[in-house]
Amino acid sequence: QKEVEQDPGPLSVPEGAIVSLNCTYSNSAFQYFMWYRQYSRKGPELLMYTYSSGNKEDGRFTAQVDKSSKYISLFIRDSQPSDSATYLCAMSGVSGGSNYKLTFGKGTLLTVNP
Amino acid sequence: DADVTQTPRNRITKTGKRIMLECSQTKGHDRMYWYRQDPGLGLRLIYYSFDVKDINKGEISDGYSVSRQAQAKFSLSLESAIPNQTALYFCATSDSRLGANVLTFGAGSRLTVL
Repeated sequence: QKEVEQDPGPLSVPEGAIVSLNCTYSNSAFQYFMWYRQYSRKGPELLMYTYSSGNKEDGRFTAQVDKSSKYISLFIRDSQPSDSATYLCAMSGVSGGSNYKLTFGKGTLLTVNP
Repeated sequence: DADVTQTPRNRITKTGKRIMLECSQTKGHDRMYWYRQDPGLGLRLIYYSFDVKDINKGEISDGYSVSRQAQAKFSLSLESAIPNQTALYFCATSDSRLGANVLTFGAGSRLTVL
């Protein structure tokens, strides 16, 4: 079993839709959970991250972590064509620990159609 | 100017040639990384450096070498390029003072080995 699993998609939705992107993981030592967005021909950029369990909201984006299920989600409300990108989940243990390095999912390609 | 600058952005070379990809950063971060990204395989860590005197192999270091010339500079070398090293290469940085290992990526260097 891979440490981090992410459905590659592609996912295509109409403008205004609610998008749900998900990752599962197997390493119970992961404490930091991140979402990166990567536009075509660009480097990944951090969208948001959470520590341990719970939700975090930033504008139209909400990140959720369910450590009991080893499952994380990113929700995008009122999706826009500018949200079209590849979304990468990433996770790590705490700094200084043996699992500090980020482990990435393979990314989900999202297209939001006008 | 970009916080993390990679040069060259695009390079086409032939099998057996030596190639160097360079990375410089103005973030003041102590940690630097080299990743490669391939379709269907995601981001894979090649080498990472926690400071100028600390360099470590990642999951796919064979065929690559690195040099940390200064805190702000980290270069990746392919001593004798082969076609399966054709990929998109990313340099990234992070700050060890943060609890989360948040990476800042460069724009990428696209390498084609013929």
